[in-house]
Amino acid sequence: QQPVQSPQAVILREGEDAVINCSSSKALYSVHWYRQKHGEAPVFLMILLKGGEQKGHEKISASFNEKKQQSSLYLTASQLSYSGTYFCGTDPSGTYKYIFGTGTRLKVLA
Amino acid sequence: NAGVTQTPKFQVLKTGQSMTLQCAQDMNHNSMYWYRQDPGMGLRLIYYSASEGTTDKGEVPNGYNVSRLNKREFSLRLESAAPSQTSVYFCASSFGLDGTEAFFGQGTRLTVV
Repeated sequence: QQPVQSPQAVILREGEDAVINCSSSKALYSVHWYRQKHGEAPVFLMILLKGGEQKGHEKISASFNEKKQQSSLYLTASQLSYSGTYFCGTDPSGTYKYIFGTGTRLKVLA
Repeated sequence: NAGVTQTPKFQVLKTGQSMTLQCAQDMNHNSMYWYRQDPGMGLRLIYYSASEGTTDKGEVPNGYNVSRLNKREFSLRLESAAPSQTSVYFCASSFGLDGTEAFFGQGTRLTVV
Protein backbone atom coordinates (compact mmCIF):
# COMPACT_ATOMS: atom_id res chain seq x y z
CA GLN A 1 0.00 0.00 0.00
CA GLN A 2 3.01 2.26 0.49
CA PRO A 3 3.50 4.45 -2.60
CA VAL A 4 6.73 4.07 -4.52
CA GLN A 5 8.90 7.09 -5.24
CA SER A 6 11.48 7.54 -7.97
CA PRO A 7 14.28 8.26 -8.19
CA GLN A 8 15.55 7.11 -4.82
CA ALA A 9 18.25 9.76 -4.85
CA VAL A 10 19.33 12.64 -7.06
CA ILE A 11 22.23 15.10 -7.03
CA LEU A 12 21.88 18.49 -8.70
CA ARG A 13 23.88 21.63 -9.22
CA GLU A 14 22.33 24.88 -8.05
CA GLY A 15 19.96 26.19 -10.70
CA GLU A 16 19.17 22.79 -12.21
CA ASP A 17 15.71 21.24 -12.32
CA ALA A 18 14.45 17.96 -10.88
CA VAL A 19 11.33 15.82 -11.04
CA ILE A 20 10.31 13.42 -8.29
CA ASN A 21 7.63 10.83 -8.99
CA CYS A 22 5.16 9.07 -6.71
CA SER A 23 3.12 6.04 -7.79
CA SER A 24 0.39 4.27 -5.89
CA SER A 25 -1.26 0.90 -6.47
CA LYS A 26 -4.57 2.36 -5.23
CA ALA A 27 -6.80 5.17 -6.42
CA LEU A 28 -5.96 8.43 -4.73
CA TYR A 29 -8.15 11.06 -3.14
CA SER A 30 -5.28 13.40 -2.50
CA VAL A 31 -1.50 13.60 -2.59
CA HIS A 32 0.69 15.53 -0.17
CA TRP A 33 4.35 16.41 -0.57
CA TYR A 34 6.74 17.01 2.33
CA ARG A 35 10.44 17.78 2.68
CA GLN A 36 12.55 16.56 5.57
CA LYS A 37 15.99 17.86 6.40
CA HIS A 38 18.39 15.64 8.30
CA GLY A 39 17.44 15.29 11.95
CA GLU A 40 14.30 17.36 11.57
CA ALA A 41 10.59 16.72 11.18
CA PRO A 42 8.95 16.61 7.74
CA VAL A 43 7.57 19.97 6.59
CA PHE A 44 4.57 20.44 4.32
CA LEU A 45 5.14 21.57 0.72
CA MET A 46 1.99 20.94 -1.29
CA ILE A 47 -1.41 19.25 -1.47
CA LEU A 48 -3.11 18.12 -4.64
CA LEU A 49 -6.75 17.12 -4.59
CA LYS A 50 -8.96 15.21 -7.00
CA GLY A 51 -10.50 17.78 -9.28
CA GLY A 52 -7.30 19.74 -9.69
CA GLU A 53 -7.18 21.96 -6.63
CA GLN A 54 -3.69 22.67 -5.35
CA LYS A 55 -2.33 24.38 -2.31
CA GLY A 56 1.27 24.89 -1.41
CA HIS A 57 4.70 26.31 -1.92
CA GLU A 58 4.95 29.15 -4.44
CA LYS A 59 8.24 27.99 -5.97
CA ILE A 60 7.36 24.32 -6.28
CA SER A 61 4.80 22.81 -8.60
CA ALA A 62 3.29 19.38 -8.87
CA SER A 63 0.94 17.33 -10.99
CA PHE A 64 -1.62 14.71 -10.05
CA ASN A 65 -2.83 12.09 -12.51
CA GLU A 66 -5.72 10.39 -10.76
CA LYS A 67 -6.26 7.75 -13.43
CA LYS A 68 -2.63 6.73 -13.41
CA GLN A 69 -2.48 7.01 -9.65
CA GLN A 70 0.64 9.12 -9.94
CA SER A 71 1.94 12.46 -8.82
CA SER A 72 5.10 14.33 -9.76
CA LEU A 73 6.87 17.14 -7.93
CA TYR A 74 8.75 19.68 -10.05
CA LEU A 75 11.65 21.57 -8.53
CA THR A 76 12.87 24.32 -10.83
CA ALA A 77 16.01 26.42 -10.51
CA SER A 78 17.01 24.45 -7.44
CA GLN A 79 18.62 26.18 -4.47
CA LEU A 80 20.93 24.80 -1.80
CA SER A 81 18.02 24.97 0.64
CA TYR A 82 16.12 22.39 -1.45
CA SER A 83 18.41 19.64 -0.20
CA GLY A 84 16.63 17.04 1.89
CA THR A 85 14.43 13.98 1.58
CA TYR A 86 11.11 14.39 -0.19
CA PHE A 87 8.10 12.28 0.71
CA CYS A 88 4.76 11.93 -0.99
CA GLY A 89 1.80 11.12 1.21
CA THR A 90 -1.32 9.55 -0.21
CA ASP A 91 -4.85 9.11 1.05
CA PRO A 92 -6.07 5.96 -0.69
CA SER A 93 -9.29 5.64 1.29
CA GLY A 94 -10.46 9.24 1.52
CA THR A 95 -10.42 9.03 5.31
CA TYR A 96 -7.33 11.20 5.88
CA LYS A 97 -5.30 8.08 6.66
CA TYR A 98 -2.04 9.34 5.19
CA ILE A 99 0.39 6.72 3.88
CA PHE A 100 3.84 8.00 2.94
CA GLY A 101 6.19 6.90 0.20
CA THR A 102 9.70 5.56 0.48
CA GLY A 103 11.34 8.97 0.04
CA THR A 104 13.67 10.62 -2.48
CA ARG A 105 16.99 12.04 -1.24
CA LEU A 106 17.86 15.26 -3.03
CA LYS A 107 21.21 17.00 -2.70
CA VAL A 108 21.91 20.36 -4.31
CA LEU A 109 25.55 21.29 -4.78
CA ALA A 110 26.94 24.80 -5.17
CA ASN B 1 2.10 28.19 19.19
CA ALA B 2 3.85 24.98 20.20
CA GLY B 3 2.24 22.92 17.40
CA VAL B 4 2.86 19.20 17.95
CA THR B 5 4.91 18.32 21.02
CA GLN B 6 6.40 14.89 21.59
CA THR B 7 8.03 13.57 24.73
CA PRO B 8 10.59 12.25 25.32
CA LYS B 9 13.01 13.27 22.57
CA PHE B 10 15.40 10.38 23.24
CA GLN B 11 14.93 7.07 25.03
CA VAL B 12 16.94 3.89 25.53
CA LEU B 13 15.05 0.78 26.61
CA LYS B 14 16.08 -2.74 27.42
CA THR B 15 14.37 -5.58 25.58
CA GLY B 16 11.10 -6.40 27.28
CA GLN B 17 10.62 -3.04 28.98
CA SER B 18 7.52 -0.99 28.34
CA MET B 19 7.08 2.70 27.74
CA THR B 20 4.63 5.28 26.47
CA LEU B 21 5.44 8.00 23.97
CA GLN B 22 3.40 11.12 24.51
CA CYS B 23 2.07 13.50 21.86
CA ALA B 24 0.01 16.66 22.26
CA GLN B 25 -1.17 19.25 19.74
CA ASP B 26 -2.58 22.69 20.37
CA MET B 27 -4.06 23.37 16.91
CA ASN B 28 -7.52 21.95 17.57
CA HIS B 29 -6.87 19.23 15.02
CA ASN B 30 -9.25 16.32 14.67
CA SER B 31 -6.86 13.68 13.32
CA MET B 32 -3.64 12.42 14.85
CA TYR B 33 -1.05 9.92 13.67
CA TRP B 34 1.94 7.89 14.80
CA TYR B 35 4.67 7.03 12.28
CA ARG B 36 7.98 5.28 12.54
CA GLN B 37 10.91 6.13 10.32
CA ASP B 38 13.67 3.66 9.52
CA PRO B 39 16.49 4.17 7.02
CA GLY B 40 15.30 3.46 3.48
CA MET B 41 11.73 2.74 4.60
CA GLY B 42 10.24 6.20 4.60
CA LEU B 43 7.52 7.03 7.12
CA ARG B 44 5.33 4.07 8.00
CA LEU B 45 1.98 4.58 9.67
CA ILE B 46 1.59 2.69 12.94
CA TYR B 47 -1.83 3.90 14.13
CA TYR B 48 -4.00 6.86 13.50
CA SER B 49 -7.02 8.51 15.06
CA ALA B 50 -9.41 10.17 12.64
CA SER B 51 -11.22 11.92 15.47
CA GLU B 52 -11.47 11.91 19.23
CA GLY B 53 -12.69 8.53 20.41
CA THR B 54 -11.58 6.55 17.36
CA THR B 55 -8.36 4.75 16.52
CA ASP B 56 -7.39 2.56 13.58
CA LYS B 57 -4.43 0.43 12.59
CA GLY B 58 -1.94 1.60 10.03
CA GLU B 59 0.66 -0.36 8.09
CA VAL B 60 2.79 -1.62 10.99
CA PRO B 61 0.66 -1.84 14.18
CA ASN B 62 2.09 -5.05 15.68
CA GLY B 63 3.75 -4.52 19.06
CA TYR B 64 2.06 -1.15 19.65
CA ASN B 65 -1.07 0.20 21.28
CA VAL B 66 -2.48 3.71 21.23
CA SER B 67 -4.83 5.85 23.26
CA ARG B 68 -6.59 9.00 22.10
CA LEU B 69 -6.88 10.49 25.55
CA ASN B 70 -8.75 13.59 24.40
CA LYS B 71 -8.74 15.82 21.34
CA ARG B 72 -5.26 17.13 22.14
CA GLU B 73 -3.39 14.00 23.15
CA PHE B 74 -2.51 10.74 21.40
CA SER B 75 -0.12 8.33 23.09
CA LEU B 76 1.76 5.33 21.73
CA ARG B 77 2.62 2.42 24.02
CA LEU B 78 5.20 -0.30 23.58
CA GLU B 79 4.20 -3.10 25.94
CA SER B 80 7.32 -5.24 25.55
CA ALA B 81 10.02 -3.47 23.57
CA ALA B 82 12.04 -5.39 20.99
CA PRO B 83 15.24 -4.37 19.14
CA SER B 84 13.17 -4.27 15.91
CA GLN B 85 11.31 -1.30 17.39
CA THR B 86 14.47 0.80 17.40
CA SER B 87 13.44 3.74 15.24
CA VAL B 88 12.55 7.41 15.13
CA TYR B 89 8.90 7.93 15.99
CA PHE B 90 6.94 10.91 14.69
CA CYS B 91 3.55 12.09 15.84
CA ALA B 92 1.52 14.21 13.45
CA SER B 93 -1.86 15.91 13.40
CA SER B 94 -4.20 17.44 10.86
CA PHE B 95 -7.67 18.94 10.67
CA GLY B 96 -8.82 15.85 8.82
CA LEU B 97 -10.46 17.91 6.09
CA ASP B 98 -9.85 18.13 2.37
CA GLY B 99 -6.95 20.37 1.51
CA THR B 100 -5.38 20.43 4.94
CA GLU B 101 -1.88 19.25 5.64
CA ALA B 102 -0.30 17.29 8.46
CA PHE B 103 1.98 18.90 11.02
CA PHE B 104 4.73 16.81 12.57
CA GLY B 105 6.35 16.77 15.97
CA GLN B 106 10.13 16.80 16.30
CA GLY B 107 10.36 13.06 16.78
CA THR B 108 11.43 10.59 19.46
CA ARG B 109 14.60 8.60 18.86
CA LEU B 110 14.11 5.23 20.53
CA THR B 111 16.81 2.62 20.92
CA VAL B 112 16.02 -0.85 22.24
CA VAL B 113 19.04 -2.84 23.39
